Amino acid sequence: AQSVAQPEDQVNVAEGNPLTVKCTYSVSGNPYLFWYVQYPNRGLQFLLKYITGDNLVKGSYGFEAEFNKSQTSFHLKKPSALVSDSALYFCAVRGNYNFNKFYFGSGTKLNVKP
Amino acid sequence: SAVISQKPSRDICQRGTSLTIQCQVDSQVTMMFWYRQQPGQSLTLIATANQGSEATYESGFVIDKFPISRPNLTFSTLTVSNMSPEDSSIYLCSLTGVRGAELGTQYFGPGTRLTVL
Repeated sequence: AQSVAQPEDQVNVAEGNPLTVKCTYSVSGNPYLFWYVQYPNRGLQFLLKYITGDNLVKGSYGFEAEFNKSQTSFHLKKPSALVSDSALYFCAVRGNYNFNKFYFGSGTKLNVKP
Repeated sequence: SAVISQKPSRDICQRGTSLTIQCQVDSQVTMMFWYRQQPGQSLTLIATANQGSEATYESGFVIDKFPISRPNLTFSTLTVSNMSPEDSSIYLCSLTGVRGAELGTQYFGPGTRLTVL
């Protein structure tokens, strides 16, 4: 069965510092991994995805994620955090048998302080 | 990518009533889905809305409680029937198969925040 885990409910970082939001996955077969961001009172916005190829994936708003097969991780990163990055971040994996089914992590609240 | 709208954006309803949520896309899409996000929780897939046929429901969700329609390739509705306070959630539609968008990626509407008293 496919699943992702986000071990941190909340991440606090100062503006200008690098940020990391963690995600680990458990899949049978090759993982299709995604990151989404949810701002207050908004829907989910797609940030980036990994299907195959380079382990470092670049996405929207300066975010990137590193796929690590040996550690089964797909951590979201940004070199320099902005206050406007404060939001709820979800990691997701696509089902291997039902391609339309996405399994979402529990979410990590990112707080960027000025 | 496509512009996705949902109506209403939020509502407060009385126990025992029903609410129909609309999801409209500005271009034809292959697949549409409905999710529930309970307070402080992650997203759970309710069903896949199939164009011209009955929706495909996930375990724990039934048609009598969450009837879904998808009359064409740009529109779907989700009804939350006989509501109870436990139905208070954000309901989101999502879709894939938008021309010009990332392949295999689901895109989400802004959500409908439902509170049941």
